[in-house]
Amino acid sequence: GESVGLHLPTLSVQEGDNSIINCAYSNSASDYFIWYKQESGKGPQFIIDIRSNMDKRQGQRVTVLLNKTVKHLSLQIAATQPGDSAVYFCVGGSYIPTFGRGTSLIVHP
Amino acid sequence: NAGVTQTPKFQVLKTGQSMTLQCAQDMNHNSMYWYRQDPGMGLRLIYYSASEGTTDKGEVPNGYNVSRLNKREFSLRLESAAPSQTSVYFCASSEVEAELFFGSGTQLSVL
Repeated sequence: GESVGLHLPTLSVQEGDNSIINCAYSNSASDYFIWYKQESGKGPQFIIDIRSNMDKRQGQRVTVLLNKTVKHLSLQIAATQPGDSAVYFCVGGSYIPTFGRGTSLIVHP
Repeated sequence: NAGVTQTPKFQVLKTGQSMTLQCAQDMNHNSMYWYRQDPGMGLRLIYYSASEGTTDKGEVPNGYNVSRLNKREFSLRLESAAPSQTSVYFCASSEVEAELFFGSGTQLSVL
C-alpha cells in the first residue's frame, strides 16, 4: 500500500497567516491523495483530494500542491483561522487507507 | 441523513470484561472500517470489511473480533478487555478509495 508521512508533528501559526502542511509519499504508483482534518473530539473529515494527473487543486481557502518529481504534497491554508486548529492527515489512495500520526496545527489568536 | 453512527460514545470496562461497539452507516457504502487512535500514534486499522460478508485483519487485530452483520452494520467486539485497549475507536465507511466517512468515536477506558 501507499506509505505517506507528515513532516512535522506540530505547526504553530498566528491567526491570519498562511499555513503550509507538508507530506511525503513513497509509492509512485499512487494516483490519488486525500487530506483529512480532525478536530478535537471528532472523527477525521475529508477536506480535499488531488489526482496524480494534477499539480494543484484549490478549494475554499485551501490549496493542495503535488510534486511528483520529489514525491511531495502540501496543504496550504490561506488566512488561517482559529477554527482551522486541528490535526491534519494526508492519505494515499487505497481501499485500505493508512493515516499515520498527522500534523497538529495550532492557531494563535 | 445521519452518516456513520457509533454507540456507545463512552464506556468504562474492567479488565476481562467483554463488550461490543456498534457502528451503522446509512450511505449504502460497501466498505467499512474500525480504527483505534492513541495519543501520538495516529489512527491504526484494526479490521475492515470490503463488502457485506467479508472481513479482513488490519494492522492491529489482536484482541478484537468483528462482524459485518449486513451492509449497514459493522460491529467490533472485545472478548476480554485489557488496559492496552484503552483508546478512542472510530468506525468509518467508504465507497470511493480512501474517501472515508467517520463516526464521532467511542472513548473506551479499561481499568
